[in-house]
Amino acid sequence: SAVISQKPSRDICQRGTSLTIQCQVDSQVTMMFWYRQQPGQSLTLIATANQGSEATYESGFVIDKFPISRPNLTFSTLTVSNMSPEDSSIYLCSAQDRPNQPQHFGDGTRLSIL
Amino acid sequence: GNSVTQMEGPVTLSEEAFLTINCTYTATGYPSLFWYVQYPGEGLQLLLKATKADDKGSNKGFEATYRKETTSFHLEKGSVQVSDSAVYFCALSANFGNEKLTFGTGTRLTIIP
Repeated sequence: SAVISQKPSRDICQRGTSLTIQCQVDSQVTMMFWYRQQPGQSLTLIATANQGSEATYESGFVIDKFPISRPNLTFSTLTVSNMSPEDSSIYLCSAQDRPNQPQHFGDGTRLSIL
Repeated sequence: GNSVTQMEGPVTLSEEAFLTINCTYTATGYPSLFWYVQYPGEGLQLLLKATKADDKGSNKGFEATYRKETTSFHLEKGSVQVSDSAVYFCALSANFGNEKLTFGTGTRLTIIP
């Protein structure tokens, strides 16, 4: 299965700033996804990162707040823009190697906004 | 829409006890079902999966059977260890597992020596 690396693993940021999270996969994958896990909560999908086209966002998430790039089949970034304390969460990247295979996750980025 | 209902936690058990964490789902079509585990300070790891009715997923002594008639995918382990302490998430992905994951609320499991 694909091995997924996320950077940074954690960060503490000032409100109003932006942070870009990187997700690197050790092999080419068909699908990549970005999830948010708010403190003590389950995971919610932010968007599906599509290679070569704009990401597909879930209801309640918008591109201006969470711009996503996917320049190739092994890499994606998620930016959390104009951060507020409500954005304090764990952000997780996942990837699906091939159709009909399960998603595998990185270790996540633990983000705190002061 | 798709949804997953998971047994509320937290759950505390003694070492070597029997574990069951209930999970039921609502989905159209042909969903794949999963259990993921999150150890403290880590991301999610796939624990086991099942892709069609009556499939049994198993790993590390954990088992779950895809029951279409009861729309359930309960997680079981015969004898838990302290190292099993973690948060367990039941999840589904529609269309044979090729769509987004819909997660349950998670169940925090603590095993006492």
